[in-house]
Amino acid sequence: LAKTTQPISMDSYEGQEVNITCSHNNIATNDYITWYQQFPSQGPRFIIQGYKTKVTNEVASLFIPADRKSSTLSLPRVSLSDTAVYYCLVGDRSNYQLIWGAGTKLIIKP
Amino acid sequence: DTEVTQTPKHLVMGMTNKKSLKCEQHMGHRAMYWYKQKAKKPPELMFVYSYEKLSINESVPSRFSPECPNSSLLNLHLHALQPEDSALYLCASSQVSQGPTNYGYTFGSGTRLTVV
Repeated sequence: LAKTTQPISMDSYEGQEVNITCSHNNIATNDYITWYQQFPSQGPRFIIQGYKTKVTNEVASLFIPADRKSSTLSLPRVSLSDTAVYYCLVGDRSNYQLIWGAGTKLIIKP
Repeated sequence: DTEVTQTPKHLVMGMTNKKSLKCEQHMGHRAMYWYKQKAKKPPELMFVYSYEKLSINESVPSRFSPECPNSSLLNLHLHALQPEDSALYLCASSQVSQGPTNYGYTFGSGTRLTVV
């Protein structure tokens, strides 16, 4: 099973673009990359998922290079409410085995 | 309805007590999960139910007993817990056919459990 590595913490400022990179060197052919956001004392919330290249939705973009050994979550124009822990996961669509990263605590300052 | 509802939100129990955590979803998801999350750690998978049948038990101690009475409900029965079992217990659901990695889990807000 692939293991994910991500920075423990990051700081940024309101209005900036924030990029959080996750490393998953031994990602398998069938694995998808998924990102979740978690606020204190709440359950994680699905942000975005991708398999290769670029995926964009209304809240974020996910960039995945051709070798798929890493991925970058991009949050455009962050606000104070984006302060949270962000988890990178990899997992096979065909089973329930998702590997959670340790999480990146993102702090947005005014 | 796109929510997973967990009750109670907070629970304090003694080591000899028996209590239950409840989870409900009405999204038609046929896979439901229990996760345990300690402070500053990612969630750890405990149990997976698929079509109301237990499909994964991640070597969880028998003092935790899951139950899936129907496709919308999931319970976690607790008995003789230890202080180290104090944690946030999260329930989640997902579509089965495409697995949790397609559109992801929908998590509840969790039950904050304290064992004294």
